[in-house]
Amino acid sequence: AQSVTQLGSHVSVSEGALVLLRCNYSSSVPPYLFWYVQYPNQGLQLLLKYTSAATLVKGINGFEAEFKKSETSFHLTKPSAHMSDAAEYFCAVSGPLQGAQKLVFGQGTRLTINP
Amino acid sequence: KAGVTQTPRYLIKTRGQQVTLSCSPISGHRSVSWYQQTPGQGLQFLFEYFSETQRNKGNFPGRFSGRQFSNSRSEMNVSTLELGDSALYLCASSLAPDSPNTEAFFGQGTRLTVV
Repeated sequence: AQSVTQLGSHVSVSEGALVLLRCNYSSSVPPYLFWYVQYPNQGLQLLLKYTSAATLVKGINGFEAEFKKSETSFHLTKPSAHMSDAAEYFCAVSGPLQGAQKLVFGQGTRLTINP
Repeated sequence: KAGVTQTPRYLIKTRGQQVTLSCSPISGHRSVSWYQQTPGQGLQFLFEYFSETQRNKGNFPGRFSGRQFSNSRSEMNVSTLELGDSALYLCASSLAPDSPNTEAFFGQGTRLTVV
């Protein structure tokens, strides 16, 4: 079985500050890990994914995440927050037999950017 | 190219009724998955279809069903609606179900309200 825990349902940072959204996973098979972003009344947009290649993954909009097997973590970071980053962020896990189509999501973290 | 199209965007139904939601995947995509998003339970996997066959099913009652047509378009049906079925229903499509190099593209969702 697979599961995802996102630490912190709400995170607030100042514009220009570091963004750190935490994600820990549990998986009995080598995981594929994803970060998605959701803006109000929209679907989900993929930010980045880890599929057993490089452990440091760079995504869109300046986001990146590092896969740490020893810590079972896949935290999302961005060096400098922008007002347009305000949204809800979801970490998700799947396995080699599911690819990108059967995702187990965390509960989400709502990111607020203060001017 | 056009993205994933879900229709309708908004729907209001009465308890006990049934509802059918539609999803048109990106052209060339043959894999479609459905998710339910609620404030309490978050994002939960409903089912996945590939080449008109259901490959995986989430932990939902039999009132939830789906199908995929030869043109890869998919529908999901919920019978005997309950208040708790009120949710945002998201559809995602990808080229193939198992490849880690494919990305799942999400539609904007159908907002179902059961009264």
